[in-house]
Amino acid sequence: GAVVSQHPSRVICKSGTSVKIECRSLDFQATTMFWYRQFPKQSLMLMATSNEGSKATYEQGVEKDKFLINHASLTLSTLTVTSAHPEDSSFYICSARDQGPNRNQPQHFGDGTRLSIL
Amino acid sequence: AQRVTQPEKLLSVFKGAPVELKCNYSYSGSPELFWYVQYSRQRLQLLLRHISRESIKGFTADLNKGETSFHLKKPFAQEEDSAMYYCALRAQEGNNRLAFGKGNQVVVIP
Repeated sequence: GAVVSQHPSRVICKSGTSVKIECRSLDFQATTMFWYRQFPKQSLMLMATSNEGSKATYEQGVEKDKFLINHASLTLSTLTVTSAHPEDSSFYICSARDQGPNRNQPQHFGDGTRLSIL
Repeated sequence: AQRVTQPEKLLSVFKGAPVELKCNYSYSGSPELFWYVQYSRQRLQLLLRHISRESIKGFTADLNKGETSFHLKKPFAQEEDSAMYYCALRAQEGNNRLAFGKGNQVVVIP
């Protein structure tokens, strides 16, 4: 089945550091990928939609300059948390959908990245 | 705008008892509904979707457009059903983004 690989799974770093998270679709192409943020015991909140070859679409309240998204190929999207601060500590999850002939494919999720800013 | 409501946060049931997780949605267009499950320390994975009309791991869910609901049911809970369950709605228009409910934590008591 379709697999989404997310790396790294865990990051611990100092305040002010920029952190890059990669999301790859392993056996399918995805022109669109989604980045979510999940706080403890809460639901997934969509942060942005990553579009291959064009600018990402950010949800209301999400800072574009803080969360940089690049979708350079049909199988890779990256999320960079710039100058991270403790309040950015969270669980970040990406997902992708097989953009093949069948438009009704479900979204598949990565394992998530736990980001801890000291 | 898409909106998904899952009223109960935590549901504890005894093994063998029925389970029902409620999900109501609000969307003006034609929605596609999903249930996702997240077992402890695992990734979010698709449990079932309304267009498939199938039973997965004994779970079923029927889309009721009149009541705008997509409740998840299982007649006899098993210990391995303990997990977080998320109802999600995908708009057929636009970028097909998924909107999630707040989730239900299900604990099956042996």
